[in-house]
Amino acid sequence: GAGVSQSPSNKVTEKGKDVELRCDPISGHTALYWYRQSLGQGLEFLIYFQGNSAPDKSGLPSDRFSAERTGGSVSTLTIQRTQQEDSAVYLCASSPMPYEQYFGPGTRLTVT
Amino acid sequence: EDKVVQSPLSLVVHEGDTVTLNCSYEVTNFRSLLWYKQEKKAPTFLFMLTSSGIEKKSGRLSSILDKKELFSILNITATQTGDSAIYLCASQGGSEKLVFGKGTKLTVNP
Repeated sequence: GAGVSQSPSNKVTEKGKDVELRCDPISGHTALYWYRQSLGQGLEFLIYFQGNSAPDKSGLPSDRFSAERTGGSVSTLTIQRTQQEDSAVYLCASSPMPYEQYFGPGTRLTVT
Repeated sequence: EDKVVQSPLSLVVHEGDTVTLNCSYEVTNFRSLLWYKQEKKAPTFLFMLTSSGIEKKSGRLSSILDKKELFSILNITATQTGDSAIYLCASQGGSEKLVFGKGTKLTVNP
């Protein structure tokens, strides 16, 4: 019974390296979201995919961040030249419609 | 810019107490307000509210929305230690993305 899955669950990387975070949404969900949660903060929207429409990238904090969604399913969030302020938990959510969102377990990223 | 403000930021109670968590929002083309419980990494869905004045209940938890005053409350009665978590409120507007508040950290002591 598949929920949203994310990998890796934890990632430690050195400052300046690139990282890729993966999200497998629930099968059949057309909407996919990426959020970031820094210590003591609420969830910060990053990017939203809906079907074949152009993604809403309005939440990406800098051009070092990008995301793709291949075949309307799996999504990859890429952070280039990581900085310490990128350290956070990155959460993916999917939704059958743009309403209730089902969250994955998240990836904890630590940039040293 | 859409905004969600939750209060209090943290709350410590004893088992058996009743708590009320507050959420106010400003959102363009409001669609819904959602409550989530976050214990570890991933939030779990509690309620989605779209209409004013209609209470949603699930066991000891209930929530209601006031679209005129732009706020929602989450009530938990007879609290238990397992209710300890961060409770997140989120609004959804015309852009379809959720805007989250910073959450209320609830600690229920035995």
